[in-house]
Amino acid sequence: KAGVTQTPRYLIKTRGQQVTLSCSPISGHRSVSWYQQTPGQGLQFLFEYFSETQRNKGNFPGRFSGRQFSNSRSEMNVSTLELGDSALYLCASSSGGAGAREQYFGPGTRLTVT
Amino acid sequence: DQQVKQNSPSLSVQEGRISILNCDYTNSMFDYFLWYKKYPAEGPTFLISISSIKDKNEDGRFTVFLNKSAKHLSLHIVPSQPGDSAVYFCAASESGTYKYIFGTGTRLKVLA
Repeated sequence: KAGVTQTPRYLIKTRGQQVTLSCSPISGHRSVSWYQQTPGQGLQFLFEYFSETQRNKGNFPGRFSGRQFSNSRSEMNVSTLELGDSALYLCASSSGGAGAREQYFGPGTRLTVT
Repeated sequence: DQQVKQNSPSLSVQEGRISILNCDYTNSMFDYFLWYKKYPAEGPTFLISISSIKDKNEDGRFTVFLNKSAKHLSLHIVPSQPGDSAVYFCAASESGTYKYIFGTGTRLKVLA
């Protein structure tokens, strides 16, 4: 089974711009979660999508948004980029069911805001 | 308020010996726990999970122990190998959710 894929792997943007990151989950998985990893704050939960609906949300400003498509692929958008948004953005794929709740991560997208 | 804590930022262990990584949590609603291994510039790799209905789960060289009354879990790696050198994260979620709270990680170094 192919793993979680994220595109692009690296991105450089300027303050004030917006960016869209993409995640394709493991085949058959219906839940996609997004996390931000920074040296100062560690891994922080952004949001989770299941069957095209946002099911859980973390404590991030409204500039961070996401969506999920019918094939379970997900995109994350950050508008009006700030220097502090520079981070590794990780996508995690899960079955989404009520039983075992393991999450499998992709390689991440390294975003640098200048 | 950090709900999941890994109080040891680093740990060094001799090859072949046991590595014990610890994790404490404060939220009694957490009922599912995961351990991950992470190398620089890569996504975390899932290692092992445990549900709050169990107190132990084993997978090869990895065993996770859960002490609900102490709100403490630990990951045992036996025997430790140099390839195990990485940063290890524990994560916890509340009942029925996939919203995971991560600890700050412990850097394990296995010495050959």
